[in-house]
Amino acid sequence: QSVLTQSPSASGTPGQRVTISCSGSSYNIGSNTVNWYQQLPGAAPKLLIYSDWRRPSGVPDRFSGSKSGTSASLAISGLQSEDEADYYCAALDDSLNAPVFGGGTKLTVL
Amino acid sequence: QVQLQQWGAGQLKPSETLSLTCGVFDGFFTGYYWSWVRQPPGKGLEWIGEMDHGGNANYNPSLKSRVTISVDTSKNQVSLKLTSVTAADTAVYYCARGRLGDHWGQGTLVTVSS
Repeated sequence: QSVLTQSPSASGTPGQRVTISCSGSSYNIGSNTVNWYQQLPGAAPKLLIYSDWRRPSGVPDRFSGSKSGTSASLAISGLQSEDEADYYCAALDDSLNAPVFGGGTKLTVL
Repeated sequence: QVQLQQWGAGQLKPSETLSLTCGVFDGFFTGYYWSWVRQPPGKGLEWIGEMDHGGNANYNPSLKSRVTISVDTSKNQVSLKLTSVTAADTAVYYCARGRLGDHWGQGTLVTVSS
């Protein structure tokens, strides 16, 4: 059971906008910043969003992050077939003094 | 652009010790946290532990009795040892820079089987 909660799956058609949510608590998302990772099949996780909404160099602006209270969201606009991947949220947890991850959301592009 | 490259044995028998090393290239080594994360087949990411820039380690309580993370600043390497492995330790193991990981190694599949 993951400390951060994500829906197991999401889907959309090319060009659509999809949102993936991540729910936590006051100990993690509520008091620390959130990272989002994209994991393509057979590959290592890749940092997609850090500090709630910032994008590393090279990440398209189709990807955006936001946070409100103890929940965070990743939005992908102009969905493309190559966006089909698993997406994970992560944050530091002050009560555990450790990073915690969401269980991951598998995004399918129909 | 910093690169993390991992190596180590991928096939182990129960009760053996998992040993992986992560080399850091083309980037600074000191001043960062270094982490290990694993992913069982078909499952999500599990934090194993971390070493801070002061040489202090912090481990997942569920693994704490069996895990050791160490760093060799002279070689820009961070290592993971996990003793007394069982089939439940079968996973892809990743090293990562930072507490949450901004750069990740390529991953090493470690299979524990008799």
